[in-house]
Amino acid sequence: AQKVTQAQTEISVVEKEDVTLDCVYETRDTTYYLFWYKQPPSGELVFLIRRNSFDEQNEISGRYSWNFQKSTSSFNFTITASQVVDSAVYFCALSEVSGGSNYKLTFGKGTLLTVNP
Amino acid sequence: EPEVTQTPSHQVTQMGQEVILRCVPISNHLYFYWYRQILGQKVEFLVSFYNNEISEKSEIFDDQFSVERPDGSNFTLKIRSTKLEDSAMYFCASRERPGARYEQYFGPGTRLTVT
Repeated sequence: AQKVTQAQTEISVVEKEDVTLDCVYETRDTTYYLFWYKQPPSGELVFLIRRNSFDEQNEISGRYSWNFQKSTSSFNFTITASQVVDSAVYFCALSEVSGGSNYKLTFGKGTLLTVNP
Repeated sequence: EPEVTQTPSHQVTQMGQEVILRCVPISNHLYFYWYRQILGQKVEFLVSFYNNEISEKSEIFDDQFSVERPDGSNFTLKIRSTKLEDSAMYFCASRERPGARYEQYFGPGTRLTVT
């Protein structure tokens, strides 16, 4: 069964600090997709990134970057020069490819990031 | 940009009452999902729906729950007899095509409070 672990329950940083959110996953599939979602205080889920298991290139999008390491089953998320608006709960999620076309998402428990001014 | 919508944004109901949560997926999407998030906890899969039938459901999705796509636009989640532990945020999501590489788009959620 698939599983996502976000060991950091809460992280608090001061604005402009860099912060890394950890995500470790378990799956028996060789093909799968990993995601990060942001949940601001307003409650909606905002899609940030999707990465497939065959693409281990790191990705950078503005202040956000993602480090996918298949060898350690990790998909970590770094925010550079954090801002107060980055304060939110961040969820890592996994979707297996096998088992038909359901492709449901399995989420981690989330990491609450608080960026203080 | 097309988006998934959900109504109501907040529903308060008494224990034992039936509730229907409504979702309007993105118009050309074919795969639909409900997820649940109990306050402060992770988002959990409830059910997936394709071609007018349930394609997968979790252990949470017991006989008290049902889903329906009554017309070409709405996708509903019904809870027949609500319990206190059903209090949660319920998210609807839709996907255009099969394949995990196609993103699931989430609605803003319905907060259900059972008293």
